Amino acid sequence: GESVGLHLPTLSVQEGDNSIINCAYSNSASDYFIWYKQESGKGPQFIIDIRSNMDKRQGQRVTVLLNKTVKHLSLQIAATQPGDSAVYFCAENMASNTGKLIFGQGTTLQVKP
Amino acid sequence: DSGVTQTPKHLITATGQRVTLRCSPRSGDLSVYWYQQSLDQGLQFLIQYYNGEERAKGNILERFSAQQFPDLHSELNLSSLELGDSALYFCASSVRWAEGEKLFFGSGTQLSVL
Repeated sequence: GESVGLHLPTLSVQEGDNSIINCAYSNSASDYFIWYKQESGKGPQFIIDIRSNMDKRQGQRVTVLLNKTVKHLSLQIAATQPGDSAVYFCAENMASNTGKLIFGQGTTLQVKP
Repeated sequence: DSGVTQTPKHLITATGQRVTLRCSPRSGDLSVYWYQQSLDQGLQFLIQYYNGEERAKGNILERFSAQQFPDLHSELNLSSLELGDSALYFCASSVRWAEGEKLFFGSGTQLSVL
């Protein structure tokens, strides 16, 4: 069935270190992936996206890597800051003629000062 | 601020009741999506509308319905409420309707059914 899963429910890192959040997806037909950040009491906020014809995309302090062979997605955050503490979701969109996204369960990132 | 507005922020009601959640998409966005977020189910897609027409349906219960009006705002109606309907309900919008669209989310409506 449709599912996007995360390897670890909680990730704790030291401020200034790099963070890596992983995500496995099951639909090989998925062609578009997004990472969202959700802070307490707020809606998911877009971080970065990547299409299936790419394997890496960089933003400001964030990088998304896509490995289609093993159906794996990762989000790398450089120089993690306390403001990065949140729940991170990966989401996928199949070439299903709609914009609907299927979300993973989420990983909580805790940044220690 | 994503530009997507949801009202009310909080809603407390009793079992068996009916409520309406409202969403105004970002200016220029024609597509509206509704998601339910609960602790045990995560973010679940409910339904998508594009320019007033239903575009895609997810795991939406028959007790739930939605519509998108000519001014593009959308309402999610939840009826015969049960305790298990307590959740955060998010609305999101995008410019178009197809794959590869970034979705922008509102701050959600926290529904508590007592």
